[in-house]
Amino acid sequence: GESVGLHLPTLSVQEGDNSIINCAYSNSASDYFIWYKQESGKGPQFIIDIRSNMDKRQGQRVTVLLNKTVKHLSLQIAATQPGDSAVYFCAENDKGNNRLAFGKGNQVVVIP
Amino acid sequence: KAGVTQTPRYLIKTRGQQVTLSCSPISGHRSVSWYQQTPGQGLQFLFEYFSETQRNKGNFPGRFSGRQFSNSRSEMNVSTLELGDSALYLCASRPGWPDSPLHFGNGTRLTVT
Repeated sequence: GESVGLHLPTLSVQEGDNSIINCAYSNSASDYFIWYKQESGKGPQFIIDIRSNMDKRQGQRVTVLLNKTVKHLSLQIAATQPGDSAVYFCAENDKGNNRLAFGKGNQVVVIP
Repeated sequence: KAGVTQTPRYLIKTRGQQVTLSCSPISGHRSVSWYQQTPGQGLQFLFEYFSETQRNKGNFPGRFSGRQFSNSRSEMNVSTLELGDSALYLCASRPGWPDSPLHFGNGTRLTVT
């Protein structure tokens, strides 16, 4: 079943600071992970992905880290901006059933 | 390139009715997935279609069904609506191979009264 979860329900961060959002997963068969951002009234928007043969991947202002040993995924946002305020979801692809399972979501609030 | 388009944006139905939601995927994407999003349960997988065939199915009752057409457009249907079916229904598409991200539409907000 869906086994992806997030540690913190709400993260408040000062504008300009870095944000770190954490995600734990329990399915060792998962081989592909994605972070999504969802703003109010919109569908989830793809941010960055990482395959299980990697432990780090960088995008524009974002970095995803994967620790397969402890089944932990994190999203780092550099120089957080007001536009980063949203709910962030991690998702894992179970290679066995080939479906994306989503965590419950973590609200990020950027304080100007 | 146009994104995933879902219609209608909002729907209000009464218990016992049925509803059909529509989704147009990104051009060239052959896989379409449907998710139900509620505050309590988060994003729950309904089903995935690829080349007009249901490739994967979540743990929802048979009242929830879907189909995909030859142009990759998809519809989902919910029959005998219940109050608990009130949710945001999200459609997402991807090219077809597993290791690619889903691209979501903005959803259809269904309210059952």
